Amino acid sequence: EPEVTQTPSHQVTQMGQEVILRCVPISNHLYFYWYRQILGQKVEFLVSFYNNEISEKSEIFDDQFSVERPDGSNFTLKIRSTKLEDSAMYFCASRDREYSNQPQHFGDGTRLSIL
Amino acid sequence: KNEVEQSPQNLTAQEGEFITINCSYSVGISALHWLQQHPGGGIVSLFMLSSGKKKHGRLIATINIQEKHSSLHITASHPRDSAVYICAAPVRYGGSQGNLIFGKGTKLSVKP
Repeated sequence: EPEVTQTPSHQVTQMGQEVILRCVPISNHLYFYWYRQILGQKVEFLVSFYNNEISEKSEIFDDQFSVERPDGSNFTLKIRSTKLEDSAMYFCASRDREYSNQPQHFGDGTRLSIL
Repeated sequence: KNEVEQSPQNLTAQEGEFITINCSYSVGISALHWLQQHPGGGIVSLFMLSSGKKKHGRLIATINIQEKHSSLHITASHPRDSAVYICAAPVRYGGSQGNLIFGKGTKLSVKP
C-alpha cells in the first residue's frame, strides 16, 4: 500500500538554526498537510497546501514557517530560526481529492529537538 | 470554539475484554476520523465515517451525526491493540476532509 514518507525521523538542531523537514506524499494525492504534536499534547494543524499554494494555515504557522513543493514529489516544511518551543513531532499527511471517501494518510513523523 | 472531546483519557483492560472509547464534538461535520498512534509516534488512519457504522477486523466505529457523538469499539482486545486512539474532526462544517482538529487521545493498555 502506498505510504507517506518523512525524513529525517529525528532531527536535532541548535536554537536559531534553520531546519527543513521533508515529506514525500502519496503520488496521486493532491492535498497536503503539516501537523505538529508537542510532547504530551494533542496533534495540532499547521498548514494545508493545494495547487502549489497554501490553502489554510493556523495561528501557529507564523512568518518563521514556510512550505514548498519544490518538485513533483517532495513537500517540505521549513522553520527559519528555530526556538525551543518548536520541539515537537511533525507529521505530514496527504489525501487524494476534495470529496474523497478516503481518509488522510499520515507519515511516521519527524521528531524535532531544539537545543 | 471548535472542540473534540474524548473519554476516557486512559484505559487499562485485560486481554479479551470489549473496549469502548467515546468522542464528542462541537463542530458540525459530515465525517469523523479515528486514528491510532503507536508508542513510536506514527499515526495510522483507522476510519473515516459519516454515518452509521464501519467495521475493520476487530475494530468497529459508530457515529451519530445529530448527537455529535462517535464511539470506537475493540472486540476481543489484545496487547498489540495498546496505543493511543485519537478522534479528529474537520474544521469546517460540511467538510469531510480538510484541516482536522484532534482530540487529546485515549491511551489504551491491554494486559495479557
